[in-house]
Parts: sequence; structure tokens; C-alpha cells
Amino acid sequence: DAGVTQSPTHLIKTRGQQVTLRCSPKSGHDTVSWYQQALGQGPQFIFQYYEEEERQRGNFPDRFSGHQFPNYSSELNVNALLLGDSALYLCASSLGGYREQYFGPGTRLTVT
Amino acid sequence: DAKTTQPNSMESNEEEPVHLPCNHSTISGTDYIHWYRQLPSQGPEYVIHGLTSNVNNRMASLAIAEDRKSSTLILHRATLRDAAVYYCILRGGGATNKLIFGTGTLLAVQP
Repeated sequence: DAGVTQSPTHLIKTRGQQVTLRCSPKSGHDTVSWYQQALGQGPQFIFQYYEEEERQRGNFPDRFSGHQFPNYSSELNVNALLLGDSALYLCASSLGGYREQYFGPGTRLTVT
Repeated sequence: DAKTTQPNSMESNEEEPVHLPCNHSTISGTDYIHWYRQLPSQGPEYVIHGLTSNVNNRMASLAIAEDRKSSTLILHRATLRDAAVYYCILRGGGATNKLIFGTGTLLAVQP
């Protein structure tokens, strides 16, 4: 049973560019959440998708957007990249809204 | 969102028990206490959660104070693989699934 997978593993982008990160949830899970983790900090909640809709959002600007597909996989898009967007981006999946979350290994984004 | 307070770091010796404390004095009646850990270069991993009663699973035990204003994660026999950042998180009992992470406790395990 495959766990949560994310792609790519690492990514280097230039300021102002756009990036798309991808996540496949654990088999049987229908809810996907995205987190941003800066170096030395705990993960910060970006948003959560359920039934292809954004159900909840953290304190992140509109440059951060997402999508969930009918197979429950998800994408995180970040536009107009800033140096401060450099971080580890984590995807977590769960079954429904109340269960424990399973995290992927993350995508390391570096903005230069 | 209710906040938690944890020590920045702790040390333990291999094969000894470890008690990781967490204070959450503003916890509400419907908040669940969750613990996750993050091993180096990995995403966080669910450890255990509870509401009022103490809980045990294959990974750890969770001891919750009677007034619920504090809790303790207990690793019964620490191994080198348990070296990680441990996060104590409060999650509302309503239709909210987001996890609010603090900075956690960095646990070092000495051989």
C-alpha cells in the first residue's frame, strides 16, 4: 500500500516564476492538506481540499492556489514566487475530516 | 486556535523511557490532543491522540492530566530511531482538520 507521494523531490525556481507541486494521497484517502515548512520551524497550514473544493485555508496570500482531482490527487500552485517562498512543502492526506493525517516526504522548493 | 507549550529540546539514553511534556492551559472541552513527530528529512508522522483518558498504542502512551491542561507523551524504551522533533497539537472537535504546529521538542537519543 503506497503512502503519500509528492513530486518533484527538489525544485529550483527564480523570483517571479510560477511553480506547481503534485501530491498523490494514500490509497483510500479523500482529503488532502498542504503545509509549508520553513527551515527550523514547524509546518504551517496552507489549505485543505475535500471533494475537489477548498474547504479551509490558512493565512497565505492568493498567490497560493490549489486543485483536487476526481482521483483525490492534488496540486499546489504558487505564482509570482518570492525568496521567502523557499521552504519544504508537505502534503498530507486523511480519510474524512477528523482522522489522523499521513504526510508525504515533501518537495523542497528553492527560490533564487 | 488554542496553543501548546513544549520544551525546545530534551535528551534521553537508548532503551530508557522518555517523558515529553506539553502544556495546553487554554484547551477547550472539544479539543483533542494530538502528537506527531518528524524524523530528519521526512514529513511528520502521526504518533497518538486522545481526548480525556490515557491512551496506548504500539508507538507510545499518552497521559492526560485530569484537568486536561497538560499531557505527556511516553516512549517506553527510546531507540536511536526515536530521535526526532515531537509536536503536541490541539485539534478542534468540529469540522476542522487542520493541524497547527508549534516548534516542538527536539529529542536527542544517546547510545
